[in-house]
Amino acid sequence: KAGVTQTPRYLIKTRGQQVTLSCSPISGHRSVSWYQQTPGQGLQFLFEYFSETQRNKGNFPGRFSGRQFSNSRSEMNVSTLELGDSALYLCASSLTAGGETQYFGPGTRLLVL
Amino acid sequence: ELKVEQNPLFLSMQEGKNYTIYCNYSTTSDRLYWYRQDPGKSLESLFVLLSNGAVKQEGRLMASLDTKARLSTLHITAAVHDLSATYFCAGGRRGNKLVFGAGTILRVKS
Repeated sequence: KAGVTQTPRYLIKTRGQQVTLSCSPISGHRSVSWYQQTPGQGLQFLFEYFSETQRNKGNFPGRFSGRQFSNSRSEMNVSTLELGDSALYLCASSLTAGGETQYFGPGTRLLVL
Repeated sequence: ELKVEQNPLFLSMQEGKNYTIYCNYSTTSDRLYWYRQDPGKSLESLFVLLSNGAVKQEGRLMASLDTKARLSTLHITAAVHDLSATYFCAGGRRGNKLVFGAGTILRVKS
């Protein structure tokens, strides 16, 4: 069974631009969660989607948004990029909302210059 | 709000030695996870602990959960170099977001 896939794997943007990251969950998984990982703040929860609905949201500004499609694929968008948005963005999928085991994708490494 | 604290944050071990990583959490969490992360890689699920007294073992790693003490431990037995990685614990109520600890960087020296 294929794992969680994320595209792109690496991205370089400049301040003020916007970016869209994509996540395809494991087949049959309906929940997708997004996390930001930085050396200073560690792993922080961004949001969780289940059946195209946002179920939980972390403490991030409104510049961070996401959505989920009917095939469970998810995208997250960051508008008006700031230097501090440079991070590894990880998505994780699970069978159900708040599912017992989350399987993480390889991540998208975003560098904002 | 749930807070998860790990200690130590850095652990340098000799091969063959035993050690324990501790994970304390501040409020009720009905699930506790341990993950491993290699440099530049994603997170690999090691253990899911769902009930008080739960103990799980895989190879040289054993995880346990004490919900009364709000404590989980990851015990490493006879460490080998391949165990060098960063280990995270994470907790949360079912249906809510996961909160991660800061991670423990483990280096096993031969």
